[in-house]
Amino acid sequence: DGGITQSPKYLFRKEGQNVTLSCEQNLNHDAMYWYRQDPGQGLRLIYYSQIVNDFQKGDIAEGYSVSREKKESFPLTVTSAQKNPTAFYLCASKGQTGEGDTQYFGPGTRLTVL
Amino acid sequence: AQSVTQLGSHVSVSEGALVLLRCNYSSSVPPYLFWYVQYPNQGLQLLLKYTSAATLVKGINGFEAEFKKSETSFHLTKPSAHMSDAAEYFCAVSQAGRRALTFGSGTRLQVQP
Repeated sequence: DGGITQSPKYLFRKEGQNVTLSCEQNLNHDAMYWYRQDPGQGLRLIYYSQIVNDFQKGDIAEGYSVSREKKESFPLTVTSAQKNPTAFYLCASKGQTGEGDTQYFGPGTRLTVL
Repeated sequence: AQSVTQLGSHVSVSEGALVLLRCNYSSSVPPYLFWYVQYPNQGLQLLLKYTSAATLVKGINGFEAEFKKSETSFHLTKPSAHMSDAAEYFCAVSQAGRRALTFGSGTRLQVQP
């Protein structure tokens, strides 16, 4: 059953802590993305990776870090430097250009800072 | 730079009525255009996409959208709303070779019985 999984579904963090959100895909997609969703603001790009061992900052990368050691996995770490991390985080992946740039999304992780 | 504008953050229709969700884009080159739907606390599901083939695109759940280059629009329609259509809808734009999608701010659709 192909798709994108994110874990955990809900995550609570104390101020000053780093937390890592998991994203795994078995679609054999090269590109993976992390978006942040806040009410009324749509989705904003945090980081993206077009190939293993390479990633690029998106529009709101400050306070976040990522790694891409395996094609299937693209974990996101929310560091203590992120001033307002409470949000819904969505991971996505994209196949080859022939699919018309279609991105497929995971179910999301809701992060709450206590 | 590309951008997406969704007119109306909230739209309310009666069950059985026409659904019209508006999306306008700005892009200097021919775009790819997408509509996604999001149910509460879930990820985004692709409804339909335009990739420079037919200008009228049919998607899942009875939705369709028409690409109008002269109006830079890609409005989403459905002839008859169902209660199950209540969700948030996002329009997005991309260009071949660009890094990621640019999303509109979303439209929350309410369906009244």
